[in-house]
Amino acid sequence: ELKVEQNPLFLSMQEGKNYTIYCNYSTTSDRLYWYRQDPGKSLESLFVLLSNGAVKQEGRLMASLDTKARLSTLHITAAVHDLSATYFCAYGERGGSEKLVFGKGTKLTVNP
Amino acid sequence: NAGVTQTPKFRVLKTGQSMTLLCAQDMNHEYMYWYRQDPGMGLRLIHYSVGEGTTAKGEVPDGYNVSRLKKQNFLLGLESAAPSQTSVYFCASRWTSANIQYFGAGTRLSVL
Repeated sequence: ELKVEQNPLFLSMQEGKNYTIYCNYSTTSDRLYWYRQDPGKSLESLFVLLSNGAVKQEGRLMASLDTKARLSTLHITAAVHDLSATYFCAYGERGGSEKLVFGKGTKLTVNP
Repeated sequence: NAGVTQTPKFRVLKTGQSMTLLCAQDMNHEYMYWYRQDPGMGLRLIHYSVGEGTTAKGEVPDGYNVSRLKKQNFLLGLESAAPSQTSVYFCASRWTSANIQYFGAGTRLSVL
């Protein structure tokens, strides 16, 4: 049973370009999280999306949530090398414990 | 304010040996979680705790035990390590009323 699917799993892009990472999930969750992980490091919280239609932006990254389509997107605008990392989406299971179910991650490489 | 601290950072075990991983948080968080991360995979939940003295199983609990005797500490035990438990282990914590989980730096464990 596929719970969280991220596309693409690997993304190589040039600086200055735009791209979108997609996160499909197979449950009725209205809590969607995006994390960033640098090689050998821990996970850093980027965005928390708590309702249908939620949109959040931080710098060159913008995340959105469509709970009806069970889809979240992470849009990268004018990529820079510093954005190179692995990005994970995760949904929070209902029931109070807020267990996170993660996707496999998208490894982003931004080339000069 | 240290946040979430994991010890040790690295460990090599032989098959059949036991060990305990310690997670300590100084943020007075109620909820604590143990995840494992394997190459090409997202994080998978092993066990979690919703408060001092309570623990519950996650997605991949077999071969692990946990204890939460003090609110600030969450211990993950391997009674008889197996090569399949070679992984990077992450601990996380959060407040009851907040959604973001804060992650520790991880423990890299190799079982030979």
